[in-house]
Amino acid sequence: EPEVTQTPSHQVTQMGQEVILRCVPISNHLYFYWYRQILGQKVEFLVSFYNNEISEKSEIFDDQFSVERPDGSNFTLKIRSTKLEDSAMYFCASSRDRGLGEQYFGPGTRLTVT
Amino acid sequence: EDQVTQSPEALRLQEGESSSLNCSYTVSGLRGLFWYRQDPGKGPEFLFTLYSAGEEKEKERLKATLTKKESFLHITAPKPEDSATYLCAVRMDTGNQFYFGTGTSLTVIP
Repeated sequence: EPEVTQTPSHQVTQMGQEVILRCVPISNHLYFYWYRQILGQKVEFLVSFYNNEISEKSEIFDDQFSVERPDGSNFTLKIRSTKLEDSAMYFCASSRDRGLGEQYFGPGTRLTVT
Repeated sequence: EDQVTQSPEALRLQEGESSSLNCSYTVSGLRGLFWYRQDPGKGPEFLFTLYSAGEEKEKERLKATLTKKESFLHITAPKPEDSATYLCAVRMDTGNQFYFGTGTSLTVIP
């Protein structure tokens, strides 16, 4: 069964450093998403991406964040200058349809900023 | 203001003891309500999508229902392997954001 994969599973970085989180969505899906979940809190929407551009973003997704689909398979989230409060689990998700279809989530990348 | 509220926060059931989880929402123009299951340290796993009031979906011991203001996830004769956090999310008819609730942590005791 196809699944969303994410790398790395755990990333430790120092405050102020840049990190890139990687995702490989399900191959026939067209819509891609990033979410984050701070420990013990709810899953929060960051951004959705379709047809090589951002279709929607939340207030959390400020200028420190960017997304890219550098090739036909990868989908990346970059945080330019990490802060302590960026420590969270970051989930990538993909869906075949826009919103009406279910989203399939990856296993997540745990980002720890020290 | 929270758009999605789930209750209870935590629920402990004996194996075989049926119960219901609640998800209430305040968004207008609901385009879809989604139920997910999340195991510790893992990503949410899709369970159901409900689109309109009165709709019901079933999968094994789980049944999801939807009214104009809330959804219920009914668990019939649960087993220990049903232990997980159950998340509810909504999507409005404008935009492509999904709003998640904080979840209900379910523990089924053998």
